[in-house]
Amino acid sequence: QSVLTQPPSVSAAPGQKVTISCSGSSSNIGNNPVSWYQQLPGTAPKLLIYENNKRPSGIPDRFSGSNSGTSATLGITGLQTGDEADYYCGTWDSSLSDVVFGGGTKLTVL
Amino acid sequence: EVQLVESGGGLVQPGGSLRLSCAVSGFTVSSNYMSWVRQAPGTGLEWVSVIYSDGRTYYSDSVKGRFTISRDDSKNTLYLQMNSLRTEDTAVYYCARRITVFHGATRSVYFDYWGQGTLVTVSS
Repeated sequence: QSVLTQPPSVSAAPGQKVTISCSGSSSNIGNNPVSWYQQLPGTAPKLLIYENNKRPSGIPDRFSGSNSGTSATLGITGLQTGDEADYYCGTWDSSLSDVVFGGGTKLTVL
Repeated sequence: EVQLVESGGGLVQPGGSLRLSCAVSGFTVSSNYMSWVRQAPGTGLEWVSVIYSDGRTYYSDSVKGRFTISRDDSKNTLYLQMNSLRTEDTAVYYCARRITVFHGATRSVYFDYWGQGTLVTVSS
C-alpha cells in the first residue's frame, strides 16, 4: 500500500493530452515538493519533473507538473507512442521522515 | 558523462547475504547523498537507504538492522550489504543520487541519476 495514490492506468490517443494525478496528505505533498519519474519498459526510472514543476535538462516541455493542496498532477501533451511507460510521483514525508512514492501509473498511447 | 553501474545481484537463499556495488563516474560519491531504491516484481518504487556526504546513514524500517550502506571513496563506489535476506527482499535494486534542498520548513527530495539496476532473488 503506497503512501501516495496514483491511478493504476491512463490512456489517450497519439497527439492528445493526458494528466496523471498523485494524491497525498499534509505531511507529504501538502508541504513538500513533488518529483515525477518515467520508467520505460525494462529500464531504470528517469527524473522527469522535480520541485513540482521544474524539468531537468533534456526533458521536453511537453511534460509539465503542478500541484494544489495535497495533490500533484503530471501533464503530458502531444502524446507519442514512445511515452508509453510507468510514471511515479515521489516526495518527502515529514511524519515518516522517509521518501515516499506513488504506486505508479501505466500510460498507454492507443 | 554520468554513469552508475550496479553489480552483485543474484539468487540467494532466505537467511543468506549479498553485497551490491554501484560504481559511479561523472561525479564524486563522497560529496553527494547516495541512495538505494528497490522495485519488487510488478510493483512500485521503495526507498531503501541513504548515505549522506558526512557519512550519516538512514534505512527504511523494512531493512533496518539487516542492511548496511557504505562507500569506498578511493573507488568512487557505493555498496549495500544485505544480511538475513527474506523472500520479500526480492527486487531490482537501483543506486541513485539523491538531491535534498531545504526551502524554509519544506524539504525537496528527488533522485536525478539512476543506475540500470541489479536483480536480487531470495528463494529456496
